[in-house]
Amino acid sequence: GAVVSQHPSWVICKSGTSVKIECRSLDFQATTMFWYRQFPKQSLMLMATSNEGSKATYEQGVEKDKFLINHASLTLSTLTVTSAHPEDSSFYICSAGDLLAKNIQYFGAGTRLSVL
Amino acid sequence: GESVGLHLPTLSVQEGDNSIINCAYSNSASDYFIWYKQESGKGPQFIIDIRSNMDKRQGQRVTVLLNKTVKHLSLQIAATQPGDSAVYFCYFAGGTSYGKLTFGQGTILTVHP
Repeated sequence: GAVVSQHPSWVICKSGTSVKIECRSLDFQATTMFWYRQFPKQSLMLMATSNEGSKATYEQGVEKDKFLINHASLTLSTLTVTSAHPEDSSFYICSAGDLLAKNIQYFGAGTRLSVL
Repeated sequence: GESVGLHLPTLSVQEGDNSIINCAYSNSASDYFIWYKQESGKGPQFIIDIRSNMDKRQGQRVTVLLNKTVKHLSLQIAATQPGDSAVYFCYFAGGTSYGKLTFGQGTILTVHP
């Protein structure tokens, strides 16, 4: 299947700092990427839909100024957690779809964020 | 729809047994379904998909069954192995348009040797 690379896989930061997570589709183009958050032993919660060349669409309850999303190209979307706090500690996962295989989403390996 | 904030149900089986994981959906417009497997600390991986014009599809050791009448989807794993231990999520989408995922609740499968 298609490959989605997510970086970094694990990050520890101090409270108040910002953290950027990258999501790249390596062998296909993705006009739309998705960002999820997952707590232990729970399902994935969609945070936002990232559209190439336009503003992201955020789910209800997700602060757009807190979680900045940029989708500058067909192969790269970034999620920046601004002024991170301990409650932002979580597992963040991105996904991207292959234009030739609609509705199948390929996922990155996830980023474990720990805010001290 | 999504089960946000709920802890996942669990299924424990012995190695070699067959496993059945179930998923219910509510939107009758859903016409495309996928099962994903998520191992600990990793992102979900595609396992198998099925469209609403089918009621059964088989892959390698896995079978997906779709019952549109009761809006029920199941994943059967034959001869379950310890490497099958993971969280399994169902995903359903309506129509043929490209859209965001709606994940089912998920089930934690534990395979005992």
